[in-house]
Amino acid sequence: GEDVEQSLFLSVREGDSSVINCTYTDSSSTYLYWYKQEPGAGLQLLTYIFSNMDMKQDQRLTVLLNKKDKHLSLRIADTQTGDSAIYFCAESLYGQNFVFGPGTRLSVLP
Amino acid sequence: KAGVTQTPRYLIKTRGQQVTLSCSPISGHRSVSWYQQTPGQGLQFLFEYFSETQRNKGNFPGRFSGRQFSNSRSEMNVSTLELGDSALYLCASSTRQESEQYFGPGTRLTVT
Repeated sequence: GEDVEQSLFLSVREGDSSVINCTYTDSSSTYLYWYKQEPGAGLQLLTYIFSNMDMKQDQRLTVLLNKKDKHLSLRIADTQTGDSAIYFCAESLYGQNFVFGPGTRLSVLP
Repeated sequence: KAGVTQTPRYLIKTRGQQVTLSCSPISGHRSVSWYQQTPGQGLQFLFEYFSETQRNKGNFPGRFSGRQFSNSRSEMNVSTLELGDSALYLCASSTRQESEQYFGPGTRLTVT
């Protein structure tokens, strides 16, 4: 079946860039997503990319997709303490059958 | 536009009881999906409803059920609660035609 993998933890210094990586197995995935979850809250959609794109930039966020290697990354520029959260990578087939990764806990150190 | 709302936010039940959780999607969204989130298993898909019909189902026992009403509001029910059902239950809505799925704040269920 489909599987999405992420490293579980990442620590960065405030002001540095964070890069969160994700790999997926389903080559038919059409959309790939990044969600953010803060303590006690639901998942907040940060950004998503269509599978025929290589890159998408949205303010401090840059998403890179390597479809050949089935690798997705999220880069957060100038990471702030408010970026501390769990980040989930997810894939879907035309907005259906979502599969989520285990989440990467990002800790931003002052 | 109001976001996805879930009620109640917190719930404590004892083993053997049943529970009903409610989700109101974003206005205009007809698809509602339910997920269970636990520290050990992560985010697991329960089921999806679209236009009052269950369209997809995850790998959960029959104790977990749901339904959707004509106004797209959805409920999920868990019968004969077990300790392992303690989790954050998240609801997400979408139009199904678009790629984006939006989550509610979740219902934290504790089974004692």
